[in-house]
Amino acid sequence: EVQLVQSGAEVKQPGESLKISCKGSGYSFTSYWIAWVRQMPGKGLEWMGFIYPGDSDTRYSPSFQGQVAFSADKSISTAYLQWSSLKASDTAMYYCARRDGRAFDIWGQGTKVTVSS
Amino acid sequence: QSALTQPPSASGSPGQSVTISCTGTSSDVGGYNYVSWYQQYPGKAPKLMIYEVSKRPSGVPDRFSGSKSGNTASLTVSGLQAEDEADYYCSSYAGSNNFDVVFGGGTKLTVL
Repeated sequence: EVQLVQSGAEVKQPGESLKISCKGSGYSFTSYWIAWVRQMPGKGLEWMGFIYPGDSDTRYSPSFQGQVAFSADKSISTAYLQWSSLKASDTAMYYCARRDGRAFDIWGQGTKVTVSS
Repeated sequence: QSALTQPPSASGSPGQSVTISCTGTSSDVGGYNYVSWYQQYPGKAPKLMIYEVSKRPSGVPDRFSGSKSGNTASLTVSGLQAEDEADYYCSSYAGSNNFDVVFGGGTKLTVL
């Protein structure tokens, strides 16, 4: 079965760092771009950017450039999204998704990030 | 780039058809045949329903169809069923750099 499995929910304080993960299985993880998508509480989907696990090439949405960082470890078929200093406004659900062509055909279950003092 | 414009809500009775619009510009929806639609139930991950304007992934009922005219794409759900009640998001390729993506604000579909 082709799937993406994300790490569990996180509760952090402002200023803390965080790294969440997205593990692929059932397909060639290094052959597809992985997207990260934010969904703030009660709001719509926002594309954050892509990473290509084959060579860790990254592309960021202008809205998220400099705010987050993507990385990948192809040896364990895992992509990461990280923050160096969280803000309350980072509170959201974060999804990873596989890009096939120009669509996102496989989605992770989501990781809920709560940032609160 | 700005988000695509969708109506906040749509509704229909079981068995009826409902169409959800998604309006962009010539730089996204109107410029490329790369519009996709996603269904999202509360608390769940989105699911791809339509890609490349009108293609359905395997397993998606043929009650779901997509089209495009100019800068506006549409998702039509025919023969509405209670299980179709969900949020629907459109998305489009939006850039010449081969990577930009833009989503619509989402439409809550209610089955009356």
